[in-house]
Amino acid sequence: DAEITQSPRHKITETGRQVTLACHQTWNHNNMFWYRQDLGHGLRLIHYSYGVQDTNKGEVSDGYSVSRSNTEDLPLTLESAASSQTSVYFCASSESPLGLLNTEAFFGQGTRLTVV
Amino acid sequence: AQKVTQAQTEISVVEKEDVTLDCVYETRDTTYYLFWYKQPPSGELVFLIRRNSFDEQNEISGRYSWNFQKSTSSFNFTITASQVVDSAVYFCALSEEGRGGGGADGLTFGKGTHLIIQP
Repeated sequence: DAEITQSPRHKITETGRQVTLACHQTWNHNNMFWYRQDLGHGLRLIHYSYGVQDTNKGEVSDGYSVSRSNTEDLPLTLESAASSQTSVYFCASSESPLGLLNTEAFFGQGTRLTVV
Repeated sequence: AQKVTQAQTEISVVEKEDVTLDCVYETRDTTYYLFWYKQPPSGELVFLIRRNSFDEQNEISGRYSWNFQKSTSSFNFTITASQVVDSAVYFCALSEEGRGGGGADGLTFGKGTHLIIQP
């Protein structure tokens, strides 16, 4: 079955280190998204991509970067981890723009990142 | 800018009671898309429903029903005869027409409502 997987599921890192969170989907979806979930804030969009070589900033993109070298993967990099980036991170993908009929976004299981 | 408000931070009811989760949205677009997701204690996000702005029909799926009212910018979710398994955080979300067309610029989520169903 097609799926979207995130790795690692849990990570602890130190302030100032570079961290990369992986997201891999096997649906061949063009659209991929990264969100962070924090108590009291719900989920907020970090970056998104419409396809290979395309990346766009979301609502809370400062301190994060993404690259899209193939359809299946959208890794999220924290250039210099900060304690404020302690959060649960969700990756999502959709086959086509969400405005098209019956399109939904499928979410990975999340990565819990702790920056100490 | 788009915004989703879920004013109820936490709701606690006894099993078999009906419960309604409120969602109010703001958008300047005439075409937009609304979603509900469920996040059980295990943490994953489960898609429940999507509704397009041009389709104001209410929907019922088993014990779940959704009431979409453009006049009040609301998209409320009702669970009838609640069960313990319904305990979760529920998110309402909105997507506008994006640069790529068709709401591709991701979802704007409300802060979620934590629903507790007591046995």
